[in-house]
Amino acid sequence: DVKVTQSSRYLVKRTGEKVFLECVQDMDHENMFWYRQDPGLGLRLIYFSYDVKMKEKGDIPEGYSVSREKKERFSLILESASTNQTSMYLCASSLLTGYYEQYFGPGTRLTVT
Amino acid sequence: GIQVEQSPPDLILQEGANSTLRCNFSDSVNNLQWFHQNPWGQLINLFYIPSGTKQNGRLSATTVATERYSLLYISSSQTTDSGVYFCAVEIPNFGNEKLTFGTGTRLTIIP
Repeated sequence: DVKVTQSSRYLVKRTGEKVFLECVQDMDHENMFWYRQDPGLGLRLIYFSYDVKMKEKGDIPEGYSVSREKKERFSLILESASTNQTSMYLCASSLLTGYYEQYFGPGTRLTVT
Repeated sequence: GIQVEQSPPDLILQEGANSTLRCNFSDSVNNLQWFHQNPWGQLINLFYIPSGTKQNGRLSATTVATERYSLLYISSSQTTDSGVYFCAVEIPNFGNEKLTFGTGTRLTIIP
């Protein structure tokens, strides 16, 4: 079974802090994704990566950066957290692009105060 | 971009009832997935179904790609079926594909 894990289920940070959200997958998938989910707005893609050290902007990349130094790990970085980044963050992975299922981690509920 | 519409937005049913959830999309797709988001926020894969019909226990799904819709059927509902059901689609984009999600159907099963 594919397993995608995220470093924290719940996280509380202060405005201006640098925040790292970690995601690890154990199925040797090429592609990894970061989404945020907000009530009334659904799931929106922040960044994705098709290979180690590669990254592509999604629909809402502003205020975020990512890092993929190893194939199994994809990190989302909030350089200076703001209250409007309070959200549910979901990581996903898939084997390749197109025609392949995405599998999701359990999510991280981030609150920025 | 592609539009994904799900209906109904909310559905409340008695335990044991059957239900049909619909997903309409505005363009040809190479990937369509159905997910169930449980009360803890985890998205659980239900079906990968860009076309055709699949069944898994009490759940089944049908996608009619030429008419741009997909249906998720839940039979003999149980309280554990409660949650939000999402349809997500992917359009061909030369290796730059990404999923676009519908806004979901919130299903509540009453004992």
